[in-house]
Amino acid sequence: SAVISQKPSRDICQRGTSLTIQCQVDSQVTMMFWYRQQPGQSLTLIATANQGSEATYESGFVIDKFPISRPNLTFSTLTVSNMSPEDSSIYLCSVGTGGNSPLHFGNGTRLTVT
Amino acid sequence: DAKTTQPPSMDCAEGRAANLPCNHSTISGNEYVYWYRQIHSQGPQYIIHGLKNNETNEMASLIITEDRKSSTLILPHATLRDTAVYYCIVRVATNTNAGKSTFGDGTTLTVKP
Repeated sequence: SAVISQKPSRDICQRGTSLTIQCQVDSQVTMMFWYRQQPGQSLTLIATANQGSEATYESGFVIDKFPISRPNLTFSTLTVSNMSPEDSSIYLCSVGTGGNSPLHFGNGTRLTVT
Repeated sequence: DAKTTQPPSMDCAEGRAANLPCNHSTISGNEYVYWYRQIHSQGPQYIIHGLKNNETNEMASLIITEDRKSSTLILPHATLRDTAVYYCIVRVATNTNAGKSTFGDGTTLTVKP
């Protein structure tokens, strides 16, 4: 399975600032997704990162708050903009190679906003 | 994606089989069943998946009922390291973004010595 590296693994940020999270995969993948996991909760899909075009956002998530880039088939970034304490979560990158192949996940970025 | 229902928590004695159920009564004919687990502070780990036949790998077995409305993940000899949240997900097999996965609340399995 693909090896997924997320950076940073954790960060503490001040409210009002922005953080960009990187997801690097060691092989080309068809699908890339970004999830959020709030404390004590399950995973919630933020958006699908589309290669070469705008991301597709789920209900409740908007591009101005969570801009996403995917310049190629192995790399994506998620930015959490104008952060507030409510953005404190684990952010996870997930990738898939299509068909019935399973999705695989990075170990996430643990974000704390003070 | 079809909705899945899992019990919120289960206990299992170390060395015994852990049987984790999942209900997916609205599953479509082209949707697969996937199981993941999440150990604290890590990303979800893929375990196994299937369409309609029972499947087995080095980690677990997956039993899918004939009507495909439910399934059971079996960990044959649970160890303390199997303590985790287990998620059952159904999704289509596709090369498009329809392959996104929707996570429910999962089952917290606690393996006890």
